[in-house]
Amino acid sequence: AQSVTQPDIHITVSEGASLELRCNYSYGATPYLFWYVQSPGQGLQLLLKYFSGDTLVQGIKGFEAEFKRSQSSFNLRKPSVHWSDAAEYFCAVGSTGTASKLTFGTGTRLQVML
Amino acid sequence: NAGVTQTPKFRILKIGQSMTLQCTQDMNHNYMYWYRQDPGMGLKLIYYSVGAGITDKGEVPNGYNVSRSTTEDFPLRLELAAPSQTSVYFCASSHQTGTGGYGYTFGSGTRLTVV
Repeated sequence: AQSVTQPDIHITVSEGASLELRCNYSYGATPYLFWYVQSPGQGLQLLLKYFSGDTLVQGIKGFEAEFKRSQSSFNLRKPSVHWSDAAEYFCAVGSTGTASKLTFGTGTRLQVML
Repeated sequence: NAGVTQTPKFRILKIGQSMTLQCTQDMNHNYMYWYRQDPGMGLKLIYYSVGAGITDKGEVPNGYNVSRSTTEDFPLRLELAAPSQTSVYFCASSHQTGTGGYGYTFGSGTRLTVV
């Protein structure tokens, strides 16, 4: 069965600092990988996704993520964090079967200090 | 372009009551999903549907039922509400292709409290 681990429950960074959120997955084949962001009281918004090809993927809001098969990781990065990036971030892995379903991690809450 | 619309946004139920959470999408997506979100637990899949007339259980289906009579609508029914069903419920949809390439579009959620 597929699974996702986000080891950091809560992260605090200063505005302008760089950010890396960790995500490790378990899946038997090449996975579909996603990062979503959830602002308070809102639904989840897709930041970026990886299916195949270039292992460094660019997303919205200046985020990027790198797929590392050898480490089963898909870490999210941003060079310079803005106060508006404060939110909860979810990593997800998708199956490649006929009824593709996403399995989500438990999320990482990002706090940004001004 | 409404996307995925969920109603109601908030609801308080008494133990044993029943209700239906509504979900409608206008993107002609074939796949639809219901998740529940509990603090520190991420999102857990309740039920999903791959098209009108086809539904299947997810990870946590007990206490819930669904139907999919049209492509657009995917209501979630709670029978005999219990405190354990206090949660935030999210509906999502996606368009599946033969080569993958999908991503979910989420609704804004329904916050349900069972007292």
